[in-house]
Amino acid sequence: NAGVMQNPRHLVRRRGQEARLRCSPMKGHSHVYWYRQLPEEGLKFMVYLQKENIIDESGMPKERFSAEFPKEGPSILRIQQVVRGDSAAYFCASSSSDNPAYNEQFFGPGTRLTVL
Amino acid sequence: AQKVTQAQTEISVVEKEDVTLDCVYETRDTTYYLFWYKQPPSGELVFLIRRNSFDEQNEISGRYSWNFQKSTSSFNFTITASQVVDSAVYFCALSEAPFYAGGTSYGKLTFGQGTILTVHP
Repeated sequence: NAGVMQNPRHLVRRRGQEARLRCSPMKGHSHVYWYRQLPEEGLKFMVYLQKENIIDESGMPKERFSAEFPKEGPSILRIQQVVRGDSAAYFCASSSSDNPAYNEQFFGPGTRLTVL
Repeated sequence: AQKVTQAQTEISVVEKEDVTLDCVYETRDTTYYLFWYKQPPSGELVFLIRRNSFDEQNEISGRYSWNFQKSTSSFNFTITASQVVDSAVYFCALSEAPFYAGGTSYGKLTFGQGTILTVHP
């Protein structure tokens, strides 16, 4: 039973480029969360999605960041025109559907984004 | 708004010592969930425990134990007879009341800043 998969594991971008981070949830999970871990900090919630819907994006920066979770395929976190301050580890987590607040969130290995 | 505080930024112990990691939380909800996660040097997050706000029983799992006290809003984590493999960053996290219990949470986790634990041989 494969766990949460994220790719790429490491991503290097120059300022102004776009970054696309992919997350495939565990089989049977329809809830996806994205978190960001800045250097020397804890994880901060960014966005929560169900299939084809953004449910809570209260932690997303207002500009340049977007997320989707299409009916088919992985969830995508997209960062346009990256800046050095976007350098961080981005974690995706998935959980099953019956009680999202209680259920364990299974985390992927993270994508480490470095902006040069 | 919810908040999780881990006052200990770094802890260093020698193998076989017991160590307690502190976690204090703030929430206005009466229904909530508390978690501990471990982040080893490899970087992934490993789930350790979940506790709901109505269950104040302490829990023991091998060398790990957790002490939940609502009166002091604390959920502390103790490692007994620490080992080098316990070296990691440990995060405490809070999830607030789900929407069907009158809250607004869809399960997002609020994390503390983390405690870096180093166990020396």
